[in-house]
Amino acid sequence: KQEVTQIPAALSVPEGENLVLNCSFTDSAIYNLQWFRQDPGKGLTSLLLIQSSQREQTSGRLNASLDKSSGRSTLYIAASQPGDSATYLCAVKSGTYKYIFGTGTRLKVLA
Amino acid sequence: NAGVTQTPKFQVLKTGQSMTLQCAQDMNHNSMYWYRQDPGMGLRLIYYSASEGTTDKGEVPNGYNVSRLNKREFSLRLESAAPSQTSVYFCASSETWTGGYGYTFGSGTRLTVV
Repeated sequence: KQEVTQIPAALSVPEGENLVLNCSFTDSAIYNLQWFRQDPGKGLTSLLLIQSSQREQTSGRLNASLDKSSGRSTLYIAASQPGDSATYLCAVKSGTYKYIFGTGTRLKVLA
Repeated sequence: NAGVTQTPKFQVLKTGQSMTLQCAQDMNHNSMYWYRQDPGMGLRLIYYSASEGTTDKGEVPNGYNVSRLNKREFSLRLESAAPSQTSVYFCASSETWTGGYGYTFGSGTRLTVV
């Protein structure tokens, strides 16, 4: 059974810092992995989607990497801003074609 | 704007009452999903519809029913609400069942059962 873990659960950093959020999964046979952002009281906004054949995806200041063999993905945020404050969720799609979600990392960027 | 629309945004029910959460997407997606989000539990799949005319149970289907009314609409019904169903409910859609292009989520329905 696929399990997805995100560590740390919460993170507080000063503005301008580069940071890495981690996502690990137990079954390396995945189809894709998706990173989402969730603002308080809001829905999920898709940030990046990485197919199983890809190693990384980039969008603006965001870069997501995927290492299937080790069951890990990282989301790199460059030059963090207070507007980046949100909860970041990763979701893995594997054998059952259903996304399994991690519990998220709550990020606070201090001005 | 194209996307997934959920109604209502907020709802308070008394124990034993029933209600239907509505979801509609205008992206011509084939697959639709209902999740619930609880603190510390992450998002858990309640029911899904891989394509129009089909529905299947997810991880936590007890106490819920669904209807895929047409390709656009997928509703979630609580027949007899219980306090344990207090949660935030999200509808999502994807172009295909394999989800090769990822999911698009609605903004959620915050449900409180008292």
